[in-house]
Amino acid sequence: GENVEQHPSTLSVQEGDSAVIKCTYSDSASNYFPWYKQELGKGPQLIIDIRSNVGEKKDQRIAVTLNKTAKHFSLHITETQPEDSAVYFCAAKNSGTSYGKLTFGQGTILTVHP
Amino acid sequence: DADVTQTPRNRITKTGKRIMLECSQTKGHDRMYWYRQDPGLGLRLIYYSFDVKDINKGEISDGYSVSRQAQAKFSLSLESAIPNQTALYFCATSVRRNNEQFFGPGTRLTVL
Repeated sequence: GENVEQHPSTLSVQEGDSAVIKCTYSDSASNYFPWYKQELGKGPQLIIDIRSNVGEKKDQRIAVTLNKTAKHFSLHITETQPEDSAVYFCAAKNSGTSYGKLTFGQGTILTVHP
Repeated sequence: DADVTQTPRNRITKTGKRIMLECSQTKGHDRMYWYRQDPGLGLRLIYYSFDVKDINKGEISDGYSVSRQAQAKFSLSLESAIPNQTALYFCATSVRRNNEQFFGPGTRLTVL
């Protein structure tokens, strides 16, 4: 089955700096890669996703890049703010599995210091 | 109003006890999932259901069972709880032909 590795496990940045979280996946048939943000005391929530036919996608201060050859994808947050502090999860979905069945990475605790 | 609710939010129990965690949703989604979250291990899928009569094992189903009583309800049971089942448990939903999952607020379970 699919295996998703996420790094780093913790990331600390100063407000205004950029943050990058990286994930690698094992199954070349994976075609959908979402990122979820989990705030303290809440469940994860989708913030951005990318499909395998696209190399990059942006939404305001966040962007995701995908390198299918290397089987890795990254989350980029620019101009970080204290409210970006949360746990971030990457995930992957195999093209052969049903809609909604995701394999998640281990999570990254991002702390943005004012 | 929360679309996906979980009860209880916190539970402390003893080894060997039977525990049931409940999930309800008002989103009208047909697909429901149970995950556990452990530090450093991320979210791991326990069971999932694509319809009322459909139950599927995830990657860590041993020691757990589920019941899909109705489209809106999906319960997770620990028949005989053990300490290494101490974790944060999440229920999630999704709709057919869409990969986005919607998570509940979680249940923190402690097994002593």
